[in-house]
Amino acid sequence: DAGVTQSPTHLIKTRGQQVTLRCSPISGHKSVSWYQQVLGQGPQFIFQYYEKEERGRGNFPDRFSARQFPNYSSELNVNALLLGDSALYLCASSFPSSRASDTQYFGPGTRLTVL
Amino acid sequence: AQTVTQSQPEMSVQEAETVTLSCTYDTSESNYYLFWYKQPPSRQMILVIRQEAYKQQNATENRFSVNFQKAAKSFSLKISDSQLGDTAMYFCAFMKQGSGGGADGLTFGKGTHLIIQP
Repeated sequence: DAGVTQSPTHLIKTRGQQVTLRCSPISGHKSVSWYQQVLGQGPQFIFQYYEKEERGRGNFPDRFSARQFPNYSSELNVNALLLGDSALYLCASSFPSSRASDTQYFGPGTRLTVL
Repeated sequence: AQTVTQSQPEMSVQEAETVTLSCTYDTSESNYYLFWYKQPPSRQMILVIRQEAYKQQNATENRFSVNFQKAAKSFSLKISDSQLGDTAMYFCAFMKQGSGGGADGLTFGKGTHLIIQP
């Protein structure tokens, strides 16, 4: 089975622009989470979506938004890009219907560079 | 809020040696999960091992095992017979146990860069 997939792999934008990142979860997984990983740091939680509803949100400004589609894929949108938004954006999927299913499995990430 | 601390920014050992990575955490929660993830230069975050806080038995996965001390809030990772392919960043992570797979997401430490020397 395919793992979590993300697109694009790399992205270069300029300050003030908007960007959309995409994620497809592991088949059968209904929950998608987004993380931002700045160089040299651990990932920081941005959002979690489950069954198309936002279940959790980290400490990020309203410029960050996301949504989940009926097929459980997800998009992360960032508006009015700042230089500090340059990071690796990771998507993770899980099938949280039981204790054993809370494990999150990560995709390869999208490297966003803001110039 | 939870915090996760990894006090070793970098470690280096010879191939075939055993190495232990340290992790401490702080939480007021009683029910939670702890994880170790590996991130090689390819950037893909790979699950190494998972521990449920309600289990007293330490988790093991082949060459990887943990020492989980709940009272001390300590969760170290031991890698036996280390291999060149183990070279990577290792992140300790915490997740509250709850509906929906943890609506607060994972809380990560800053990572330990492990280098396996030939």
